[in-house]
Amino acid sequence: GEDVEQSLFLSVREGDSSVINCTYTDSSSTYLYWYKQEPGAGLQLLTYIFSNMDMKQDQRLTVLLNKKDKHLSLRIADTQTGDSAIYFCAESPQADKLIFGTGTRLQVFP
Amino acid sequence: GAGVSQSPSNKVTEKGKDVELRCDPISGHTALYWYRQRLGQGLEFLIYFQGNSAPDKSGLPSDRFSAERTGESVSTLTIQRTQQEDSAVYLCASSLGRQRGGETQYFGPGTRLLVL
Repeated sequence: GEDVEQSLFLSVREGDSSVINCTYTDSSSTYLYWYKQEPGAGLQLLTYIFSNMDMKQDQRLTVLLNKKDKHLSLRIADTQTGDSAIYFCAESPQADKLIFGTGTRLQVFP
Repeated sequence: GAGVSQSPSNKVTEKGKDVELRCDPISGHTALYWYRQRLGQGLEFLIYFQGNSAPDKSGLPSDRFSAERTGESVSTLTIQRTQQEDSAVYLCASSLGRQRGGETQYFGPGTRLLVL
């Protein structure tokens, strides 16, 4: 079946790196996504990775994909208080919908 | 437009009443999606429109839920005889569509629905 799992909480100190992990089930997903949701706001597309890649870097963000283990991670370097939000990973086994994880709440403290 | 817009941003209604939620996708996006996010949870897929094809309604939770879209423009999600468990944020997203090489979905700000 379709299931995307994430840990619920992550707490880091400002300036440290954050790593948010995700496991998914459907190996046919063409793309895998990370979305950010700040309190009271909609979903903001953060980054995505094509399924034939194993790494993608975009400024402070690094996405790692292990297709064998169906594991996706998002690393945020030099985490800032403005990074505090809920982070959702999502897979796209079909073009007609995204399957979302439950979200990881990242809290950054000074 | 510049992004996906939704209206109203907030809606409070009484149990048993009908509500209609609106979504304006990004101009040129052929695909449109509706999702529901209950408090503290992830997003649940509801329905998907792609151009003039028949919509994928597989995520609609009951026959009280319906959605329409005319061509590649505005969509409305209607919930009839609302129940308290319908309280959630309803999010709309649009994309260029796979045929145009653009699966990435861009989300609107959502409509926060509260059923009393």
